[in-house]
Amino acid sequence: QKEVEQNSGPLSVPEGAIASLNCTYSDRGSQSFFWYRQYSGKSPELIMFIYSNGDKEDGRFTAQLNKASQYVSLLIRDSQPSDSATYLCAVAGGSQGNLIFGKGTKLSVKP
Amino acid sequence: EPEVTQTPSHQVTQMGQEVILRCVPISNHLYFYWYRQILGQKVEFLVSFYNNEISEKSEIFDDQFSVERPDGSNFTLKIRSTKLEDSAMYFCASSEAGDSSFDEQFFGPGTRLTVL
Repeated sequence: QKEVEQNSGPLSVPEGAIASLNCTYSDRGSQSFFWYRQYSGKSPELIMFIYSNGDKEDGRFTAQLNKASQYVSLLIRDSQPSDSATYLCAVAGGSQGNLIFGKGTKLSVKP
Repeated sequence: EPEVTQTPSHQVTQMGQEVILRCVPISNHLYFYWYRQILGQKVEFLVSFYNNEISEKSEIFDDQFSVERPDGSNFTLKIRSTKLEDSAMYFCASSEAGDSSFDEQFFGPGTRLTVL
């Protein structure tokens, strides 16, 4: 059974700080990893994907992947109150790319 | 910007009744998915669909569930005899080329199903 684990939080950071979100996965053969943002009552929205070991930056967001440790993280720089949401880590699980999600980490950015 | 649409936004039904949830994927997408999210729990994969047939399904997707693409635009999820535990948000998603597993899946806004 492929699993994706996340700390459910809540993670509370002050506005302007760096928020660090972490995720581990069980299947060592996993190749593609996704971070989704989900506002309450809404659908998941893709923020970033990463396939290669190392860092990938997109604006205020940086995804980090360490396949040896089976660990993915998301850093949000200069956090804003509008970043307050649940962040879902997902791993592509099957041949058709179906996603296996973690439970999500709830982030609260305080003004 | 193209988007996945779903109807209805909220469906209330009695236990044992059949429901059909409807989705219109993005027009040039070829891979379609259904996920569900029970309140307070994680998003769970149900089924993927390509070339008019099921590609993969999870253990949740038992004989009570079926999917269909009745025409060139709609993609439906049918639950034959709903149970209380089927109450959840159901998300449809589509992607342009799912076989790479590198392709972004675009999610619809969801249908909240409440089984009484």
